[in-house]
Amino acid sequence: DVVMTQSPLSLPVTLGQPASISCRSSQSLVYNDGNIYLNWFQQRPGQSPRRLIYKVSNRDSGVPDRFSGSGSGTDFTLKISRVEAGDVGVYYCMQGAHWPIGFGQGTRLEIK
Amino acid sequence: QVQLVESGGGVVQPGRSLRLSCAASGFTFSNYGMHWVRQAPGKGLEWVAVIWYDGSTKYYADSVKGRFTISRDNSKNTLFLQMNSLRAEDTAVYFCARVDSGSSLLIDYWGQGTQVTVSS
Repeated sequence: DVVMTQSPLSLPVTLGQPASISCRSSQSLVYNDGNIYLNWFQQRPGQSPRRLIYKVSNRDSGVPDRFSGSGSGTDFTLKISRVEAGDVGVYYCMQGAHWPIGFGQGTRLEIK
Repeated sequence: QVQLVESGGGVVQPGRSLRLSCAASGFTFSNYGMHWVRQAPGKGLEWVAVIWYDGSTKYYADSVKGRFTISRDNSKNTLFLQMNSLRAEDTAVYFCARVDSGSSLLIDYWGQGTQVTVSS
């Protein structure tokens, strides 16, 4: 199975400062069709997950442009340019290129 | 807008069964594959099962294979998860989620979840 490893697992950030979360896969996520199937989700406290980024770098409608995704192959990054209070929660990467599909362990972002 | 509403959770004894439902609206349900994903208390997300848009293909996580069955009724826009031989480790919030067509089996939308507690 493909293992998705996120780091750090805990991320204390000062308001207004940038944040970066890494997601590494044990195998390349480039699918047969040439696409890379890697999404990022945000789960605020007490809520269900919400998709932020799809296929590595495409931001969902309504997601602030403070959020950006990048990466290729096995290494991916979610960046928040300026953290706001509403960004508190757990962030997950998800791969859909290999069976079984799976998630990273999650990165808990908190305000310092 | 896309809405997914789970129901059927509750407290159940080990070894018993439970059936979860997920009512879909705001999109053409019969065109989309659907997942069940669960989250144990204080833990991360664990994929459980997926079903193709027409119900023709189903896949399960090893942890539930042989005990859980995913199904759907496209005439009623509803997804199901039949859970048998429940164990304490099945205690979790269960989410239904839509497959993002065009993105392999990635997820785009999630329901709000339903709590399942397995305890004697």
